[in-house]
Amino acid sequence: KQEVTQIPAALSVPEGENLVLNCSFTDSAIYNLQWFRQDPGKGLTSLLLIQSSQREQTSGRLNASLDKSSGRSTLYIAASQPGDSATYLCAFSGSARQLTFGSGTQLTVLP
Amino acid sequence: EAGVTQFPSHSVIEKGQTVTLRCDPISGHDNLYWYRRVMGKEIKFLLHFVKESKQDESGMPNNRFLAERTGGTYSTLKVQPAELEDSGVYFCASSPWGAGLEKLFFGSGTQLSVL
Repeated sequence: KQEVTQIPAALSVPEGENLVLNCSFTDSAIYNLQWFRQDPGKGLTSLLLIQSSQREQTSGRLNASLDKSSGRSTLYIAASQPGDSATYLCAFSGSARQLTFGSGTQLTVLP
Repeated sequence: EAGVTQFPSHSVIEKGQTVTLRCDPISGHDNLYWYRRVMGKEIKFLLHFVKESKQDESGMPNNRFLAERTGGTYSTLKVQPAELEDSGVYFCASSPWGAGLEKLFFGSGTQLSVL
């Protein structure tokens, strides 16, 4: 059974800092890894998707990496902004088309 | 283009009552998923429709939950009778047929409170 852990559970940083969010998983037989963002009262927005054959994906100030051998993924956010404040979730999919989510990291970027 | 729409946004009911949640997927999306997040836990998969057929309902917690997608358009999730542990946020998501998970779009969720 796939288990997903996200550390830290909450993070508060001043604006402009670079930061890393961590996600670990127990089963390396994954198809895809996704990072989502959730704003209060809103749905989940997909930020980046890494297929199992890939090592990383980049979009703007975001970079996500995947290391299947160590069971880890990281989301790197460069030059953080107050608008980046949200809950960030990682999720894995296996052979079935269902996602297994971590519990999320609540990020606050202070102006 | 309208996104995934869920009704109601909030529902407060008493234990033992029945509640029906509705999800309107993006038009033309054959895949429809239900997920939920109960208090303090991770978001968990409930089930997956392809058009009107249940492709995977392995995440449904028990027979108090009934999901339907008549006609392959909108879907409903009925909880009958509701229990305290059913409280949480119920999310719906949709994607086009054959699309990868990068094409998965989530609704804003229904906050269900069972008192």
